[in-house]
Amino acid sequence: QSALTQPPSASGSPGQSVTISCTGTSSDVGAYKYVSWYQQHPGKAPKLMIFEVSRRPSGVPDRFSGSKSGNTASLTVSGLQAEDEADYYCSSHAVTNNFAYVIFGGGTKLTVL
Amino acid sequence: QLQLLESGPGLVKPSETLSLICNVSDDSISSDIYHWAWVRQPPGKGLDWIGSIHYTGRTYYKPSLRSRVTISLDPSKNQFSLKMTSVTAADTALYYCTREIESSSGYWGQGTLVTVSS
Repeated sequence: QSALTQPPSASGSPGQSVTISCTGTSSDVGAYKYVSWYQQHPGKAPKLMIFEVSRRPSGVPDRFSGSKSGNTASLTVSGLQAEDEADYYCSSHAVTNNFAYVIFGGGTKLTVL
Repeated sequence: QLQLLESGPGLVKPSETLSLICNVSDDSISSDIYHWAWVRQPPGKGLDWIGSIHYTGRTYYKPSLRSRVTISLDPSKNQFSLKMTSVTAADTALYYCTREIESSSGYWGQGTLVTVSS
């Protein structure tokens, strides 16, 4: 079970939009709606930003949105702000040999220029 | 407000067993809709899901760790625990406990660092 594939880095200027991809397989991202995105600032625990592909927990700004097409999920951050600079991880429900588990992406470092 | 707090030895010798406990406050681990999970993060690296447990006792493990990991519940103490056998330096990480719903972790503990070294 290899990790989901994310670009190691992404960047954008304040006010711009940036999209981070998360590529899996037909056994995880492509098969289930249970894709999540997490934001992690240095020294802090991860924070859930998106669940079930595109749903936002209470308190998460609507600048954060999620989508999925085939085996690839995406997180879009619109109207970039300085505080959005962080590491972002995707995760997905996965099943292999009838065993269910959760798989994470390798993470993307988002830099706000 | 739900709080999760990890505890356990910060140093474990190679080949020995890592044991951690997660204390859950302001929620019951006997809730039907949640799973209780462990996620780790090696220093400077990404997140790595270890496994989870439902209050019924049903467990789910990362396939590559299945042979070394046991997650269990103690409803009387509102705690759940992680045991990982035969640890190596590669198991050195910050270990988080989380509350999961539909494979998504909405609540995380602060994490506890476990170093594997002789």
